[in-house]
Amino acid sequence: EDQVTQSPEALRLQEGESSSLNCSYTVSGLRGLFWYRQDPGKGPEFLFTLYSAGEEKEKERLKATLTKKESFLHITAPKPEDSATYLCAVQARGSTLGRLYFGRGTQLTVWP
Amino acid sequence: DTGVSQDPRHKITKRGQNVTFRCDPISEHNRLYWYRQTLGQGPEFLTYFQNEAQLEKSRLLSDRFSAERPKGSFSTLEIQRTEQGDSAMYLCASSLQGVMPYEQYFGPGTRLTVT
Repeated sequence: EDQVTQSPEALRLQEGESSSLNCSYTVSGLRGLFWYRQDPGKGPEFLFTLYSAGEEKEKERLKATLTKKESFLHITAPKPEDSATYLCAVQARGSTLGRLYFGRGTQLTVWP
Repeated sequence: DTGVSQDPRHKITKRGQNVTFRCDPISEHNRLYWYRQTLGQGPEFLTYFQNEAQLEKSRLLSDRFSAERPKGSFSTLEIQRTEQGDSAMYLCASSLQGVMPYEQYFGPGTRLTVT
Protein backbone atom coordinates (compact mmCIF):
# COMPACT_ATOMS: atom_id res chain seq x y z
CA GLU A 1 0.00 0.00 0.00
CA ASP A 2 1.25 3.47 -0.85
CA GLN A 3 2.30 5.37 2.26
CA VAL A 4 3.79 8.69 3.24
CA THR A 5 5.34 9.42 6.64
CA GLN A 6 6.45 12.88 7.71
CA SER A 7 8.74 13.81 10.58
CA PRO A 8 8.88 15.52 12.91
CA GLU A 9 5.18 16.08 13.63
CA ALA A 10 5.98 19.52 15.02
CA LEU A 11 9.05 21.73 14.89
CA ARG A 12 9.78 24.98 16.69
CA LEU A 13 12.61 27.13 15.37
CA GLN A 14 13.98 30.49 16.33
CA GLU A 15 14.07 33.00 13.52
CA GLY A 16 17.20 32.36 11.46
CA GLU A 17 17.68 28.79 12.73
CA SER A 18 17.86 26.52 9.68
CA SER A 19 16.45 22.98 9.71
CA SER A 20 14.99 20.20 7.55
CA LEU A 21 11.67 18.40 7.36
CA ASN A 22 11.54 14.76 6.26
CA CYS A 23 9.09 12.87 4.07
CA SER A 24 9.55 9.10 3.69
CA TYR A 25 7.46 7.33 1.10
CA THR A 26 6.57 3.85 -0.06
CA VAL A 27 4.92 3.83 -3.45
CA SER A 28 4.57 1.39 -6.31
CA GLY A 29 6.41 3.55 -8.80
CA LEU A 30 6.72 7.28 -8.19
CA ARG A 31 5.13 9.62 -10.70
CA GLY A 32 5.84 12.70 -8.60
CA LEU A 33 6.37 13.98 -5.06
CA PHE A 34 4.73 17.23 -4.04
CA TRP A 35 5.25 19.69 -1.21
CA TYR A 36 2.43 21.94 -0.05
CA ARG A 37 2.14 24.61 2.60
CA GLN A 38 -1.09 24.89 4.57
CA ASP A 39 -2.06 27.78 6.82
CA PRO A 40 -4.73 27.23 9.50
CA GLY A 41 -8.23 27.08 8.07
CA LYS A 42 -7.03 27.27 4.46
CA GLY A 43 -6.44 24.88 1.59
CA PRO A 44 -2.96 23.55 0.77
CA GLU A 45 -0.79 25.88 -1.32
CA PHE A 46 1.43 24.22 -3.92
CA LEU A 47 5.19 24.65 -3.42
CA PHE A 48 7.22 22.08 -5.40
CA THR A 49 7.06 19.00 -7.58
CA LEU A 50 9.96 16.52 -7.73
CA TYR A 51 10.06 13.63 -10.21
CA SER A 52 13.30 11.74 -9.93
CA ALA A 53 16.01 10.97 -7.41
CA GLY A 54 18.65 13.66 -7.27
CA GLU A 55 16.29 16.42 -8.29
CA GLU A 56 16.26 19.69 -6.31
CA LYS A 57 13.94 22.70 -6.39
CA GLU A 58 14.32 26.05 -4.62
CA LYS A 59 11.99 28.89 -3.76
CA GLU A 60 13.10 31.73 -1.51
CA ARG A 61 14.16 30.15 1.80
CA LEU A 62 12.90 26.67 0.86
CA LYS A 63 14.76 23.90 -0.94
CA ALA A 64 13.30 20.48 -1.68
CA THR A 65 15.35 17.40 -2.50
CA LEU A 66 14.43 13.85 -3.48
CA THR A 67 16.02 10.41 -3.07
CA LYS A 68 14.57 7.00 -3.92
CA LYS A 69 13.00 6.67 -0.49
CA GLU A 70 12.55 10.15 0.95
CA SER A 71 12.39 13.85 0.37
CA PHE A 72 13.66 16.72 2.47
CA LEU A 73 12.39 20.25 2.73
CA HIS A 74 15.25 22.45 3.88
CA ILE A 75 14.38 25.79 5.43
CA THR A 76 17.23 28.30 5.51
CA ALA A 77 17.11 31.23 7.93
CA PRO A 78 13.35 30.93 8.49
CA LYS A 79 11.14 33.88 9.35
CA PRO A 80 7.94 33.92 11.44
CA GLU A 81 5.88 34.11 8.26
CA ASP A 82 7.17 30.63 7.33
CA SER A 83 5.10 29.22 10.19
CA ALA A 84 2.60 26.77 8.72
CA THR A 85 1.97 23.05 8.25
CA TYR A 86 4.04 21.55 5.47
CA LEU A 87 2.46 18.61 3.68
CA CYS A 88 4.17 16.02 1.51
CA ALA A 89 2.21 13.98 -1.04
CA VAL A 90 3.05 11.34 -3.64
CA GLN A 91 1.43 10.44 -6.91
CA ALA A 92 1.89 6.80 -7.94
CA ARG A 93 2.19 5.27 -11.35
CA GLY A 94 -0.44 2.69 -12.16
CA SER A 95 -3.03 3.99 -9.69
CA THR A 96 -5.69 6.56 -10.39
CA LEU A 97 -4.08 9.21 -12.50
CA GLY A 98 -3.61 12.12 -10.20
CA ARG A 99 -4.73 10.76 -6.83
CA LEU A 100 -2.40 12.15 -4.15
CA TYR A 101 -1.42 10.28 -0.99
CA PHE A 102 -0.62 12.76 1.76
CA GLY A 103 1.39 12.53 4.94
CA ARG A 104 0.09 14.02 8.17
CA GLY A 105 2.28 17.06 7.83
CA THR A 106 4.89 18.86 9.91
CA GLN A 107 3.64 21.85 11.88
CA LEU A 108 6.40 24.46 11.80
CA THR A 109 6.49 27.38 14.22
CA VAL A 110 9.14 30.08 13.82
CA TRP A 111 9.41 32.49 16.71
CA PRO A 112 11.17 35.87 16.64
CA ASP B 1 -5.85 34.61 -12.47
CA THR B 2 -8.69 33.01 -10.54
CA GLY B 3 -7.90 29.94 -8.52
CA VAL B 4 -10.15 27.16 -7.31
CA SER B 5 -13.19 28.46 -5.43
CA GLN B 6 -15.47 26.65 -3.01
CA ASP B 7 -18.80 27.55 -1.54
CA PRO B 8 -19.78 27.77 1.24
CA ARG B 9 -16.65 28.27 3.29
CA HIS B 10 -18.35 27.12 6.46
CA LYS B 11 -21.43 24.98 7.05
CA ILE B 12 -23.01 24.03 10.36
CA THR B 13 -25.76 21.45 10.16
CA LYS B 14 -27.69 19.16 12.44
CA ARG B 15 -27.21 15.42 12.33
CA GLY B 16 -29.48 13.84 9.75
CA GLN B 17 -29.68 16.85 7.47
CA ASN B 18 -28.42 16.89 3.87
CA VAL B 19 -25.70 19.31 2.75
CA THR B 20 -24.27 20.22 -0.66
CA PHE B 21 -20.96 21.87 -1.44
CA ARG B 22 -19.84 23.47 -4.68
CA CYS B 23 -16.42 23.66 -6.30
CA ASP B 24 -15.41 25.80 -9.27
CA PRO B 25 -12.04 24.66 -10.67
CA ILE B 26 -9.47 26.72 -12.53
CA SER B 27 -11.17 27.38 -15.86
CA GLU B 28 -8.93 25.38 -18.20
CA HIS B 29 -8.45 22.41 -15.84
CA ASN B 30 -10.31 19.27 -16.85
CA ARG B 31 -9.45 17.15 -13.79
CA LEU B 32 -11.22 17.76 -10.50
CA TYR B 33 -10.67 16.04 -7.16
CA TRP B 34 -12.41 16.00 -3.80
CA TYR B 35 -10.48 15.35 -0.59
CA ARG B 36 -11.46 15.33 3.06
CA GLN B 37 -9.20 16.53 5.87
CA THR B 38 -9.72 16.06 9.58
CA LEU B 39 -7.76 17.78 12.33
CA GLY B 40 -4.12 16.71 12.47
CA GLN B 41 -4.36 14.61 9.31
CA GLY B 42 -3.37 15.12 5.71
CA PRO B 43 -6.06 15.32 3.04
CA GLU B 44 -7.62 11.97 2.04
CA PHE B 45 -8.81 11.29 -1.48
CA LEU B 46 -12.56 10.95 -1.99
CA THR B 47 -13.27 11.04 -5.72
CA TYR B 48 -11.97 12.24 -9.07
CA PHE B 49 -13.49 13.56 -12.29
CA GLN B 50 -11.99 13.87 -15.72
CA ASN B 51 -14.25 16.27 -17.54
CA GLU B 52 -17.77 15.10 -16.58
CA ALA B 53 -16.83 11.46 -15.95
CA GLN B 54 -16.37 10.28 -12.38
CA LEU B 55 -13.45 7.86 -12.74
CA GLU B 56 -12.83 6.72 -9.20
CA LYS B 57 -14.39 6.79 -5.77
CA SER B 58 -12.56 6.03 -2.55
CA ARG B 59 -13.90 3.50 -0.07
CA LEU B 60 -14.23 6.54 2.23
CA LEU B 61 -17.10 7.69 0.03
CA SER B 62 -20.06 5.86 1.53
CA ASP B 63 -23.47 5.56 -0.12
CA ARG B 64 -24.48 8.77 1.65
CA PHE B 65 -22.01 10.73 -0.45
CA SER B 66 -22.55 11.63 -4.07
CA ALA B 67 -20.60 13.88 -6.39
CA GLU B 68 -21.40 15.28 -9.79
CA ARG B 69 -19.69 17.39 -12.40
CA PRO B 70 -22.27 18.29 -15.02
CA LYS B 71 -20.84 19.54 -18.31
CA GLY B 72 -17.34 19.11 -16.97
CA SER B 73 -17.27 22.50 -15.26
CA PHE B 74 -18.17 23.01 -11.59
CA SER B 75 -18.71 20.08 -9.24
CA THR B 76 -21.01 19.42 -6.30
CA LEU B 77 -20.52 17.09 -3.37
CA GLU B 78 -23.66 16.09 -1.47
CA ILE B 79 -23.78 14.34 1.88
CA GLN B 80 -27.11 12.85 2.85
CA ARG B 81 -28.20 12.11 6.42
CA THR B 82 -25.09 13.72 7.89
CA GLU B 83 -23.38 12.13 10.88
CA GLN B 84 -21.03 13.70 13.43
CA GLY B 85 -18.18 11.74 11.86
CA ASP B 86 -18.67 13.73 8.66
CA SER B 87 -17.35 16.85 10.38
CA ALA B 88 -14.21 17.79 8.46
CA MET B 89 -12.73 20.19 5.91
CA TYR B 90 -13.79 19.24 2.39
CA LEU B 91 -11.21 20.29 -0.16
CA CYS B 92 -11.50 20.53 -3.92
CA ALA B 93 -8.52 20.55 -6.25
CA SER B 94 -8.04 20.78 -10.00
CA SER B 95 -5.31 19.97 -12.47
CA LEU B 96 -4.66 19.94 -16.17
CA GLN B 97 -4.53 16.56 -17.89
CA GLY B 98 -1.43 15.58 -19.72
CA VAL B 99 0.62 18.60 -18.79
CA MET B 100 3.61 18.08 -16.59
CA PRO B 101 4.09 18.48 -13.74
CA TYR B 102 0.59 17.23 -12.78
CA GLU B 103 0.33 19.38 -9.68
CA GLN B 104 -3.08 19.90 -8.13
CA TYR B 105 -4.24 23.32 -7.02
CA PHE B 106 -6.51 23.40 -4.02
CA GLY B 107 -9.39 25.63 -3.10
CA PRO B 108 -9.89 27.19 0.35
CA GLY B 109 -12.10 24.32 1.51
CA THR B 110 -15.53 24.02 3.09
CA ARG B 111 -15.50 23.44 6.84
CA LEU B 112 -18.43 21.20 7.82
CA THR B 113 -19.57 20.93 11.42
CA VAL B 114 -22.30 18.41 12.22
CA THR B 115 -23.96 19.00 15.60
